[in-house]
Amino acid sequence: DAGVIQSPRHEVTEMGQEVTLRCKPISGHDYLFWYRQTMMRGLELLIYFNNNVPIDDSGMPEDRFSAKMPNASFSTLKIQPSEPRDSAVYFCASSFRQGTSPLHFGNGTRLTVT
Amino acid sequence: AQSVTQPDIHITVSEGASLELRCNYSYGATPYLFWYVQSPGQGLQLLLKYFSGDTLVQGIKGFEAEFKRSQSSFNLRKPSVHWSDAAEYFCAVGNNNDMRFGAGTRLTVKP
Repeated sequence: DAGVIQSPRHEVTEMGQEVTLRCKPISGHDYLFWYRQTMMRGLELLIYFNNNVPIDDSGMPEDRFSAKMPNASFSTLKIQPSEPRDSAVYFCASSFRQGTSPLHFGNGTRLTVT
Repeated sequence: AQSVTQPDIHITVSEGASLELRCNYSYGATPYLFWYVQSPGQGLQLLLKYFSGDTLVQGIKGFEAEFKRSQSSFNLRKPSVHWSDAAEYFCAVGNNNDMRFGAGTRLTVKP
């Protein structure tokens, strides 16, 4: 198994531009999670999906953030328009169950907004 | 609501010395407990987990953790630290609805 695959690994963009982060979860995992990691706030859960359906998006900072999961093997996190305070490492993770089975993390996308 | 506390933000140990990273949790029932490690530039990787049964659990890379219900703790240990163990370590507690992560402990290993 290739694990959770995220792309791109690094993204540098200018303020106001649209950014799209991509994730391919592990096959057979029913849950997909998007996290954001910063020095100041640590690891924050943004949104998670169960069987491609968004279940809890209460962690999404504001309307500029949106996430989709059109099928079981692909998810996107979009920021439009991007702002410098969005600079962080964004992780995608997947698991069999919510809370009771381990999360498998991708290697993250390091986003820098100038 | 469940919560996780890792009291130590940063720990430095000498290579070959023993290690203990602390984790305390708050949860009404028996929780699902996890330790993850994050090396620079990578995502979190599962070290070990506890669901039930033997309270001493073995993980990868020579790590172990002990669940102590009376102390609401799940401390991570390693008898002899290697330079490659330098990383950030996260404790997490889960139930059927949620998984919460601690703030992490950064481990530095001195030669």
